[in-house]
Formats: sequence, structure tokens, C-alpha cells
Amino acid sequence: GAVVSQHPSRVICKSGTSVKIECRSLDFQATTMFWYRQFPKKSLMLMATSNEGSKATYEQGVEKDKFLINHASLTLSTLTVTSAHPEDSSFYICSLGASGYGYTFGSGTRLTVV
Amino acid sequence: QQQVKQSPQSLIVQKGGIPIINCAYENTAFDYFPWYQQFPGKGPALLIAIRPDVSEKKEGRFTISFNKSAKQFSLHIMDSQPGDSATYFCAIFKGGAQKLVFGQGTRLTINP
Repeated sequence: GAVVSQHPSRVICKSGTSVKIECRSLDFQATTMFWYRQFPKKSLMLMATSNEGSKATYEQGVEKDKFLINHASLTLSTLTVTSAHPEDSSFYICSLGASGYGYTFGSGTRLTVV
Repeated sequence: QQQVKQSPQSLIVQKGGIPIINCAYENTAFDYFPWYQQFPGKGPALLIAIRPDVSEKKEGRFTISFNKSAKQFSLHIMDSQPGDSATYFCAIFKGGAQKLVFGQGTRLTINP
């Protein structure tokens, strides 16, 4: 199956700064990637769909100016948390949209905003 | 808008037992029903999945049972092992929207 590399695995940043998370498809050309957020002991919530070469599609309630998504190539999507605040602390996970069967997820990024 | 409900929230089973996790969905417009396994600090990994035209699918020690009329599907883990201790998520997928919607998760503990 497809392999996804997500980086960094952990990041601690100061309140007010921005953090970029990368999601790379290592062996699959991904026109679509997905970004999820997961709170402790909770389920995964879809934040947005990242589309190669076009604007991301955000789920209801997700601030697009807070969570900037860029999908400039078929192998890389990035999520930038802008002006981060402690409430943005969470586990962020990307996945490939590989024709619906067997979605492959990244290993996740633990963001802590202090 | 909760489209899939998962139960139980947590489950403790002795080694060798058969934990069963259940999910119920609200409408019929879905293309397949996967189960994911997630260990702490890691992303979820696909365990097994079933399409709605099949009533049961088995892969190794993992079995999905699917009841289309009841809009329910369940995961059974045979001969459970401590290494199976993880959080399990059911999900529903609609091909047109290309989106996965996850259940609430079940934290499974297999005691030695």
C-alpha cells in the first residue's frame, strides 16, 4: 500500500507563532490528501481536504485562515497552524485519499502550544 | 451530525477472549466500512474493511460482521492477545465525497 511520511512527530511552540506540518506521499501521486485533528481519547475529526493545485476544502467550523493548507505537488501537502494558541494543541494526522479503499494515514504530529 | 455510533467506549478482555465492538450507521449511502487500529501516539492503520454486499469478512484473527438491514457492523477479534490492546475505530466511507467518517472509538485492553 501507499506510504505516508508526516513530519514533525512532535512540536512545541510558543503562543502566537506559526507551525508547519508536512505530509509526504512516498510512493503514490496523491491528488487528494486529508487533514484530521484528534483530541485526547477522542475520535478523528476531518478538518479539510487538500487538493493538489487548487484550494483546500474545509469542513464546517474549521477556520481556513487559522489552518492554512498547501498542496503544491502530488507528493506533498502542508498544514500551517497560524498564530497558534494553547487551544490549538492537539494531535494532527494526515492521510492519503487513495481511491477510497485502504486510506493510509501518517504517524501524526503532536502539537503543544505553550 | 453523527453518522456512525460506536460501542462500547472501552472494553477489557482476558487473553484468548473474543472482544466484540459494534457500530451503527444512520443512512445507507455508503460504499464501504473499514476498521482502524490506533496505538498511542500513532496514526490509525487499516485493519480490515467490508463492502455492503458482503455479510462477513475474515482476515486472520479479525472478522467483520455486517448487517445491512439493521445498519450495523461489528468487529470480532479471535484469540485476543495483549498486543491487540489499542483503540479501534469503525468508519464509514462514501466514494463520491471521498470522505471517511469515524466512530467514537473503543479503547480495548487485553489482559495477560
